[in-house]
Amino acid sequence: GENVEQHPSTLSVQEGDSAVIKCTYSDSASNYFPWYKQELGKGPQLIIDIRSNVGEKKDQRIAVTLNKTAKHFSLHITETQPEDSAVYFCAAVGPTSGTYKYIFGTGTRLKVLA
Amino acid sequence: AAGVIQSPRHLIKEKRETATLKCYPIPRHDTVYWYQQGPGQDPQFLISFYEKMQSDKGSIPDRFSAQQFSDYHSELNMSSLELGDSALYFCASSHGQVSSGYTFGSGTRLTVV
Repeated sequence: GENVEQHPSTLSVQEGDSAVIKCTYSDSASNYFPWYKQELGKGPQLIIDIRSNVGEKKDQRIAVTLNKTAKHFSLHITETQPEDSAVYFCAAVGPTSGTYKYIFGTGTRLKVLA
Repeated sequence: AAGVIQSPRHLIKEKRETATLKCYPIPRHDTVYWYQQGPGQDPQFLISFYEKMQSDKGSIPDRFSAQQFSDYHSELNMSSLELGDSALYFCASSHGQVSSGYTFGSGTRLTVV
């Protein structure tokens, strides 16, 4: 079945450094790729997303890149801050039977060290 | 802005008991999705509803059932609870069956003892 691999599972960076999280998906019909930030005890919150007709998108310190040929997409966080510490999930979304199916990656626990 | 409301936030049940989780979508959102997230796991899709009809089904056990009501809120009914059902249950809503625009609630933490 469809799956999304996410790496690394944990990531520790010094405050001010960059963090990169990578995902690989298997369903070639996937055409929408959101990233979620989940803080302890809270629901996943959308932080950035990208559609299949775009290769890169940036929003302040956060950027996402997509390589459709290789079925890879990545989250880049620059100038990391302690409040960026959370679990990050990628997802690949594609049409299925008249609706859309979200397949989540396994999550990356990011820790930003002050 | 209004968000997705889930109740209760926390729930403790004994094995073989029944639990009902409620989800109130964002106003004008007509599609609701239920996810189960085990400790340290990614969210797993259970079931979704669009305009009060089931639209998709994932890894939802037969012991669970769900429905969407006329006001678009949804309830997840879980019977014969097992220890392995302990998890965070998230609801998300969207306007229409679209690929984007999901908003997640804060979840219900179910503990089965």
